[in-house]
Amino acid sequence: QQQVKQSPQSLIVQKGGISIINCAYENTAFDYFPWYQQFPGKGPALLIAIRPDVSEKKEGRFTISFNKSAKQFSLHIMDSQPGDSATYFCAAAYSARQLTFGSGTQLTVLP
Amino acid sequence: ETGVTQTPRHLVMGMTNKKSLKCEQHLGHNAMYWYKQSAKKPLELMFVYNFKEQTENNSVPSRFSPECPNSSHLFLHLHTLQPEDSALYLCASSQDEGGRSYTFGSGTRLTVV
Repeated sequence: QQQVKQSPQSLIVQKGGISIINCAYENTAFDYFPWYQQFPGKGPALLIAIRPDVSEKKEGRFTISFNKSAKQFSLHIMDSQPGDSATYFCAAAYSARQLTFGSGTQLTVLP
Repeated sequence: ETGVTQTPRHLVMGMTNKKSLKCEQHLGHNAMYWYKQSAKKPLELMFVYNFKEQTENNSVPSRFSPECPNSSHLFLHLHTLQPEDSALYLCASSQDEGGRSYTFGSGTRLTVV
């Protein structure tokens, strides 16, 4: 059972554009929603995270939008740059349990 | 340097071979994890160790055998693997099992021939 569904599988954006990656979850007990960024040949690294008591969190060009009623959250990358080209994973966790990851989105930002 | 080091980076092994993957973390974390990463699939949690004790075995076949001699080191012993076991194997650590920030190593790219 895939508890966190991520879309799209791949995304191509022009430099300066907005990249949007979406995730939907099933378990209403989830209370922590991070995004991880993975460059080729590297392991995933924590990018930004949100808790369900807020609807939006922004760090630089990266923003998480959270919709608790819809059980959805998304990552927005403003002014996308070629250096943002990577695979992005959403994840969710509750209580003291381990992270459950989405299937990943391969982002390509064209120069 | 991420603080989590995995060796080897690449491994090719036959189905009758026995090999081991090594993970070492220098972050003072108490929880360590093995994940399997296959193309276009979610990261699959394999094993969890918290304070050297295994707390989760996510229905992993017995041909994968983990070992955690101390909180800084984690091994994954491999024997009689199948071609479908070819994947990137990632090690991660966190402050403890409930820790929300995972630090991943760069992984071992395993090819079973």
